[in-house]
Amino acid sequence: AQSVAQPEDQVNVAEGNPLTVKCTYSVSGNPYLFWYVQYPNRGLQFLLKYITGDNLVKGSYGFEAEFNKSQTSFHLKKPSALVSDSALYFCAVRDELTGGGNKLTFGTGTQLKVEL
Amino acid sequence: KAGVTQTPRYLIKTRGQQVTLSCSPISGHRSVSWYQQTPGQGLQFLFEYFSETQRNKGNFPGRFSGRQFSNSRSEMNVSTLELGDSALYLCASSLQVNEQFFGPGTRLTVL
Repeated sequence: AQSVAQPEDQVNVAEGNPLTVKCTYSVSGNPYLFWYVQYPNRGLQFLLKYITGDNLVKGSYGFEAEFNKSQTSFHLKKPSALVSDSALYFCAVRDELTGGGNKLTFGTGTQLKVEL
Repeated sequence: KAGVTQTPRYLIKTRGQQVTLSCSPISGHRSVSWYQQTPGQGLQFLFEYFSETQRNKGNFPGRFSGRQFSNSRSEMNVSTLELGDSALYLCASSLQVNEQFFGPGTRLTVL
C-alpha cells in the first residue's frame, strides 16, 4: 500500500526567507509524486510533479522540490517566501503498481504561514 | 479553457437522506476522480471513472457510488447520509495519467 507522511502540521517562516515543507513516502513500485496547494474554501491547485528524470523539479510560483530515492523524500522548497504563499500544502503519491489510473494518496497537509 | 466545475457548491442535508453531486470535467478529459476531504481523515480517494467505467475504488462503504456519462460528466451519490459524511467533496479531471486538475469542491453538511 502507498502512503505519504507530512511530519509538520504547520511551518512558520518570515517573508524573504527560504521555506521547506517536508514529505516522505512509501510505495511498492516507482513513485509518482506531487505537490498541491489549497487556499481557504478552494480546491487543490497543482504545483509540481516528479515522474522520472532530474531529481530537482521546478514548478509554479517559484516552488521546487527535490526527489531523494534513498531517503524516500520529496521536500517542497522555495528560495524566498511571500506572504501570499500562506496556504495548506499537500504532498501526494501515486504508485505505478496501482495500474493505469489516477488514484492519489495524500499526506495530512502542512499549513504554511509566512509572516512579515 | 473552462476548468472543472462542481455543482452545487454548498449543500445541507439531514441524516438518512441521499445526495447527488455533479462534476463537469475540463473539455476533452475522460478521467474523473472523486476525493473526500475532512478535518479528521484528510483527503481520501473515493473512486475514479474513465470512459464510463470505474477504474479505481477507495475504501468507502457501498453507500458511496458514482457514475460517468458519455460526455465524461460524473456524478457521485451518497445514500443514507450520516453525520460523518459532512465533508468537502472534490472532483478532479485528467487527460492523461499523472496530471489532475481539481474543481472547487462541494461542501456537504449533514445535520
